[in-house]
Amino acid sequence: QSVLTQPPSASGTPGQRVTISCSGSSSNIGTYTVNWYQQLPGTAPKLLIYTNNQRPSGVPDRFSGSKSGTSASLAISGLQSEDEADYYCAAWDDSLNGHWVFGGGTKLTVL
Amino acid sequence: QVQLQESGPGLVKPSETLSLTCTVSGTSISSHYWNWIRQSPGKGLEWIGSVFYTGSTKYNPSLKSRVTISADTSINQFSLRLSSLTAADTAVYYCARDYRYGYDESMSYFDYWGQGSLVTVSS
Repeated sequence: QSVLTQPPSASGTPGQRVTISCSGSSSNIGTYTVNWYQQLPGTAPKLLIYTNNQRPSGVPDRFSGSKSGTSASLAISGLQSEDEADYYCAAWDDSLNGHWVFGGGTKLTVL
Repeated sequence: QVQLQESGPGLVKPSETLSLTCTVSGTSISSHYWNWIRQSPGKGLEWIGSVFYTGSTKYNPSLKSRVTISADTSINQFSLRLSSLTAADTAVYYCARDYRYGYDESMSYFDYWGQGSLVTVSS
């Protein structure tokens, strides 16, 4: 059971816009920024979004992030087949002396 | 170019201690924080803990009693020891750099990752 809650799956057709939610609490998302990671099949996770809505260099602007209260969202517009991957949200949690927590991950399927 | 590479045994027996090493190239470990993160088969990511080159550490409360993370600046490596292993510790173990843009650990993100090392706990 992950501390941050994500839907286990999401899907869309090429060109569509898809959003993935991440729900937390006041001890994590409600207080701290959210990062998103993309994990392509058989590879290590890759930083996709940091500090709620910032893209590292090289990440297409089709990917965007937002945060409101104790929830965050990742949006992917102009969906492409290469976007098929697992997506994880992460945030610092200040309970029990502080530690990083992740969402359970969302498997995105491009139909 | 920053690169991280995990190394260690692929198979460990129950009740034994796992030892993994992460070799860092392209940057000195005497800057930034360095982390271990694992992923059980078919499951999500779990943060294990972090280390600064000074030896300062932070651990996941759920694993704290069994984890030790250390850094060796002379060989630009950091290591993980996880004791009292059970089958539930079977996972891919990743090492990752923690880039901090602010004044505490909440203001950071994992920007470089190793390729991962599969560890199976079985007799």
